[in-house]
Amino acid sequence: GQNIDQPTEMTATEGAIVQINCTYQTSGFNGLFWYQQHAGEAPTFLSYNVLDGLEEKGRFSSFLSRSKGYSYLLLKELQMKDSASYLCAVGDSNYQLIWGAGTKLIIKP
Amino acid sequence: KAGVTQTPRYLIKTRGQQVTLSCSPISGHRSVSWYQQTPGQGLQFLFEYFSETQRNKGNFPGRFSGRQFSNSRSEMNVSTLELGDSALYLCASSLFTGGREIGFFGPGTRLTVL
Repeated sequence: GQNIDQPTEMTATEGAIVQINCTYQTSGFNGLFWYQQHAGEAPTFLSYNVLDGLEEKGRFSSFLSRSKGYSYLLLKELQMKDSASYLCAVGDSNYQLIWGAGTKLIIKP
Repeated sequence: KAGVTQTPRYLIKTRGQQVTLSCSPISGHRSVSWYQQTPGQGLQFLFEYFSETQRNKGNFPGRFSGRQFSNSRSEMNVSTLELGDSALYLCASSLFTGGREIGFFGPGTRLTVL
């Protein structure tokens, strides 16, 4: 079956760095997406990786290793507004997104 | 450019009733996907429509159905509601690029079944 795993919850301190991991097993691979979802709001797109390596976008970076079925989202200089759920999703062979359950990130002052 | 809109935003129904939810995608987007989100299960894919045709379907019972109109607006219907259908229903529209389909989500419809 297809499966996306990510930690349920993580806690970090304002100003610090946090890494949210995502491992996946899917039938085919057509890219890995990270979305941010604040409580009560819709998910918003953060990043897309289709090739191995690190993609940096401001304070957020996303890494992909296709051979290991592994990705991480790195958040630097954490701010209180980064408190949210972070969703990992993989495009399968039908270009359909398979979603992880999300990681709830709690930022403490 | 207006974003994805969903109506209604909140809905309360009782068991056995049916409900219809509506989604209007971003102008020019022809693909609409529907998801169910619950605290325990995360985002679960319901179905996807492209140019009025159902292109993909998730593992949900036949009580869940949908359709898409020629203007790309989509509706989702749930019949014979059950308590477990209480969830946030999200719609996402995307521009079909043959690969990199980034979905833009609507605000969702919060359905409560009593």
